[in-house]
Amino acid sequence: RKEVEQDPGPFNVPEGATVAFNCTYSNSASQSFFWYRQDCRKEPKLLMSVYSSGNEDGRFTAQLNRASQYISLLIRDSKLSDSATYLCVVSNAGGTSYGKLTFGQGTILTVHP
Amino acid sequence: GAVVSQHPSWVICKSGTSVKIECRSLDFQATTMFWYRQFPKQSLMLMATSNEGSKATYEQGVEKDKFLINHASLTLSTLTVTSAHPEDSSFYICSARNLQLAGVRNEQFFGPGTRLTVL
Repeated sequence: RKEVEQDPGPFNVPEGATVAFNCTYSNSASQSFFWYRQDCRKEPKLLMSVYSSGNEDGRFTAQLNRASQYISLLIRDSKLSDSATYLCVVSNAGGTSYGKLTFGQGTILTVHP
Repeated sequence: GAVVSQHPSWVICKSGTSVKIECRSLDFQATTMFWYRQFPKQSLMLMATSNEGSKATYEQGVEKDKFLINHASLTLSTLTVTSAHPEDSSFYICSARNLQLAGVRNEQFFGPGTRLTVL
């Protein structure tokens, strides 16, 4: 089983749509959670951190359920510029693994006019 | 702030040659830098963790004698792919942790990547 699993998609949605991505992780000791976006042939860029209380940044809402080891990202009112690969990322804590990021395989989103 | 650069951005080399990739944190100190590799249509895979002034920690399956890492200062880490072969062709990305933010957000800042093609 992969440490971080995502639905690879692709998701093809029209502008203005709401789209949700899901992610599960296997290591219950994981401490930090993030969503990154990666554009084609570019480096990943942090979209937002994910907290147990849930957090929102404009059109983006992230949720974390530690009991289910489940992370989600909701994008409302999709824009063409949202087209990218969205990476679910988990960081394990403790000892030498502190700070190590484990990436999911990414979910491809294409927003069309 | 928190800018990470990589050099070169792309390189094409012949099989058997060695290639050095530099990763620099431009406006902050990074005690820890990470090296990742990403093959087409796959996600980033951590290769090694580089700590300033000490030996790198390699992930399982990554040959330390083939991928030499040096982290001589708080702003520079280098990855040398020795005797590169076509199967080493990949997108190599480094990241750095900000010393001042470490433990607060555990955030890593990524370099723009180096695309290596071995003929």
